[in-house]
Amino acid sequence: GQQLNQSPQSMFIQEGEDVSMNCTSSSIFNTWLWYKQEPGEGPVLLIALYKAGELTSNGRLTAQFGITRKDSFLNISASIPSDVGIYFCAGQMGSGGSNYKLTFGKGTLLTVNP
Amino acid sequence: DSGVTQTPKHLITATGQRVTLRCSPRSGDLSVYWYQQSLDQGLQFLIQYYNGEERAKGNILERFSAQQFPDLHSELNLSSLELGDSALYFCASSTAGGLSDTQYFGPGTRLTVL
Repeated sequence: GQQLNQSPQSMFIQEGEDVSMNCTSSSIFNTWLWYKQEPGEGPVLLIALYKAGELTSNGRLTAQFGITRKDSFLNISASIPSDVGIYFCAGQMGSGGSNYKLTFGKGTLLTVNP
Repeated sequence: DSGVTQTPKHLITATGQRVTLRCSPRSGDLSVYWYQQSLDQGLQFLIQYYNGEERAKGNILERFSAQQFPDLHSELNLSSLELGDSALYFCASSTAGGLSDTQYFGPGTRLTVL
């Protein structure tokens, strides 16, 4: 099925460093979302983006909806140990009024060294 | 806590068996989605229901079926289980199932097929 290309696959950083990850697609999406998943839990929504070019922040997290609608990035500033987890991008086409499924990237595993 | 509940949390069964996974959406949410998460395929959309009616289908096998009941809870039935069906199964819910409706994920059911 359709896939989003998410990179990097994993990151190992020191506490206090900034982190950047991105997703690209060959298809246009009308919504881009970023989720975080911790062990034993379901994905939790971090940021939702609804317009091309939109830049949205949630605390130390900032995400942008690419102008072409085929990409998005997520930045985490001044990382802390609790940022550890798997970060997923997801796209939503919403075309035809009936298909609002999320298409997910494979995830970025973030490890923060205290 | 997303407000979405899933039972059971873990399920261990044998090949050829049939299991039922249960999901209760957040209070007031009319739409329910099922996703499968495996190491090789990542998070994949299976099926969406809105107010009791099937709205969209994804990569759902014919051996799998789902329904949403009048009280809006949903069940995912997996039959003739194979080893490859071992995965995390997530349910998500949203208000109306539209493009800008946030999907909130439950904690998942981990299915192990032996």
